[in-house]
Amino acid sequence: SQTIHQWPATLVQPVGSPLSLECTVEGTSNPNLYWYRQAAGRGLQLLFYSVGIGQISSEVPQNLSASRPQDRQFILSSKKLLLSDSGFYLCAWSPAPGQPQHFGDGTRLSIL
Amino acid sequence: GQNIDQPTEMTATEGAIVQINCTYQTSGFNGLFWYQQHAGEAPTFLSYNVLDGLEEKGRFSSFLSRSKGYSYLLLKELQMKDSASYLCAVISRQAGTALIFGKGTTLSVSS
Repeated sequence: SQTIHQWPATLVQPVGSPLSLECTVEGTSNPNLYWYRQAAGRGLQLLFYSVGIGQISSEVPQNLSASRPQDRQFILSSKKLLLSDSGFYLCAWSPAPGQPQHFGDGTRLSIL
Repeated sequence: GQNIDQPTEMTATEGAIVQINCTYQTSGFNGLFWYQQHAGEAPTFLSYNVLDGLEEKGRFSSFLSRSKGYSYLLLKELQMKDSASYLCAVISRQAGTALIFGKGTTLSVSS
């Protein structure tokens, strides 16, 4: 069966520091991969999605970036975090476009 | 543009039935999803409707009317563990492969 792993579970970072969140999927090949952010009291916001290695689509302009160096690995990065980057970051995968997406456990990011 | 509306909060008692409504406006509709999210946890997939009608899965059922831009999630025989947020999400050809989520309905189940 397919599983999705996301780490770390929680992270506290100072303003201006870099960020790297990692997500891996097991048990499937060529998944569609997604990064979402959920801010307090707000809905899930899609940040990036990828349909294949090296293919990244950005939904919201910001100081975050994403990369997909391997088929089942999706990385969310920032060179310089802002206070507004605080939130609950969720990685998700689906077998194909339009199919149900399944989420990792999420990373709770606090910026001080 | 795209818009999804759901009630912010609902309350119900154990053993009861509750219906959570979702209305949406989108072009190129390609499916509607319901997710459950317990506080502090990631969303988990509940149901998927792409055609009109009712999909039943145990105590949970989901209904879709594409002509009305309307869906509901029906929860029967409520249990305390059903207290959670319920997220409605749509996928449209306009948005590509991405899900567009509503803000969620927080359901509180009391004894």
